[in-house]
Amino acid sequence: AQSVTQLGSHVSVSEGALVLLRCNYSSSVPPYLFWYVQYPNQGLQLLLKYTSAATLVKGINGFEAEFKKSETSFHLTKPSAHMSDAAEYFCAVSRGTDKLIFGTGTRLQVFP
Amino acid sequence: DAEITQSPRHKITETGRQVTLACHQTWNHNNMFWYRQDLGHGLRLIHYSYGVHDTNKGEVSDGYSVSRSNTEDLPLTLESAASSQTSVYFCASSGSTGGNGELFFGEGSRLTVL
Repeated sequence: AQSVTQLGSHVSVSEGALVLLRCNYSSSVPPYLFWYVQYPNQGLQLLLKYTSAATLVKGINGFEAEFKKSETSFHLTKPSAHMSDAAEYFCAVSRGTDKLIFGTGTRLQVFP
Repeated sequence: DAEITQSPRHKITETGRQVTLACHQTWNHNNMFWYRQDLGHGLRLIHYSYGVHDTNKGEVSDGYSVSRSNTEDLPLTLESAASSQTSVYFCASSGSTGGNGELFFGEGSRLTVL
């Protein structure tokens, strides 16, 4: 069965610092991978997605993620954190349907 | 603008009562999903539908049911609410057929079962 593991339920960074949120997937075939963001008291919205095209995927708000098959990883990065990036981030996987399997989430805190 | 709306946004009920959470989308999407969000578990899929009169069980479907009588609506029913069903429920929809589409989420319904 496919699944995703997000390492670290909480990540804290200073404003301007690098953001790195980790996601590893398990799948017997190349999956589709997604990162979603949830701001307080809101639903989730798509940040970026990998669907077997370019391995480096750029998303909204300066975020990007790199698909590494050898490491079964899809880590999310942003070079310089902004206060507005504080939110919960979810990695998700699917295998050709829109039925997504989500990770447990990582809460990002950004300190001034 | 097209949207997806959930109601009620907050509900408190008692153990054993039937509860229905509504989900309505105006994108004319074929695919609709119900997830529950709990601390430490992320989002878990309850039920989903790929079209009118189609419904499927997700990973945590026990105690829940759905029906799809039209494209726009997928109500979620808790037949006999239990305290373990206290959670935040999210409805989502998508219009793709190949799995590479974007899910559009509602703002959530917070349910408390006393």
